[in-house]
Order: sequence, then structure tokens, then C-alpha cells
Amino acid sequence: DTGVSQDPRHKITKRGQNVTFRCDPISEHNRLYWYRQTLGQGPEFLTYFQNEAQLEKSRLLSDRFSAERPKGSFSTLEIQRTEQGDSAMYLCASSLLDRANEQFFGPGTRLTVL
Amino acid sequence: GQNIDQPTEMTATEGAIVQINCTYQTSGFNGLFWYQQHAGEAPTFLSYNVLDGLEEKGRFSSFLSRSKGYSYLLLKELQMKDSASYLCAVRGLRDSSYKLIFGSGTRLLVRP
Repeated sequence: DTGVSQDPRHKITKRGQNVTFRCDPISEHNRLYWYRQTLGQGPEFLTYFQNEAQLEKSRLLSDRFSAERPKGSFSTLEIQRTEQGDSAMYLCASSLLDRANEQFFGPGTRLTVL
Repeated sequence: GQNIDQPTEMTATEGAIVQINCTYQTSGFNGLFWYQQHAGEAPTFLSYNVLDGLEEKGRFSSFLSRSKGYSYLLLKELQMKDSASYLCAVRGLRDSSYKLIFGSGTRLLVRP
């Protein structure tokens, strides 16, 4: 399977704990996006990487959130001191630089904060 | 600001045709996208419109009117597997990140 992969698929944690998610984009895709989706809503943009550079962050991304893409391939999203309001599906998407019209989404990581 | 509206739910019969509407207000416009999302799964790309008119792709067609801030997704010969959420998303004009702004989605239920 050469699609976007995310790990873990599900994460249950207690309030106040730190969690880290991983995204492996489609090989050679320069652009990588993180979105958050809550039940009954569409995905909301969180942050964007072009290669290893983080070029845009949403105001939704509080200082408890940090994302990295150290070698321009996989990316990690860390949430520190989780809150119940962080419970959501975290989606990763990737696209080519010259074919940025279509974003390919991964299966997501469902986070539940107790 | 940006605002995207689409109906919350729709119901249709297997074999029929259904039209899902989307209206948008954005600060600049550089393309409208439709994605399909089955429950618990990732959104999958259906269509992209940047110029006015109809784009046809098999049983699915998408229409765009930029002057009216309006799009629709047309699904023909509905099948049970078409039961899913359909997400309308737009991209801003001066947005080099190409990020997508999504509507809340329309849940389509196809009945036998």
C-alpha cells in the first residue's frame, strides 16, 4: 500500500498526558498537511509543511501543539498536556508540489482524552 | 472570513439521481473540491473545479458558478455504497499553502 499512513489509528489518554502521532506521506510528496476533524464537521486545517519547512500554522494550533518534519519525509504531531477538547480525528494529507490540486488523506488517528 | 454551507443530511433512493449543493463566501477563490468520506475513513478526492461549468467523471459530476459562489455535486445511478458524507472544500486565492477550507459535510443515505 503506497498511500498516506498514520500511526497509531486510535489513542486513548488521560487528561494532562502528552501524545505523539506519526504520518508517513506518499513517497516524494513535498507538501504535508495536518487537519483535525470532530464528529459531524469537516476537517479543519492545522499546519502545513513544504519539505521540512513548516510554512503555515492555524490559530487553532495552540502552544501545546507542535509539529515537525525533520527530513522532509514523515511528520509528527505532538500534543502536550492534553485536554478533553483535544478529542478528535487527526488527519494527515500529502500532495506533490507541482500537482497541489489533489490532497491524499491518510486514515487518521482518533484521539480520545478522558 | 470564509464560510461554506451545505445541507446536513440528504436521503435518496438506489438508482436515482441526487444533487448536493454548496455555497461559499471566501476572501479570494482558487478552486473548489468535493471529497467523499465513509464513516471512520479518510476523505477521498472526487472532483476539482476552478473554472465555471460542469466537470463530469463517470457517475459523478460537479458544477461551479464563481459569480454566484455556488457549486453542486451530482450523483447518478445511486448505489448503496454511495452512502457517505460529501465534503465541499475551497482554496483561497493568495494561499500558497494550498490548504483546504472544508464545509461541515452532507451525510447522504441511499435507501433500497
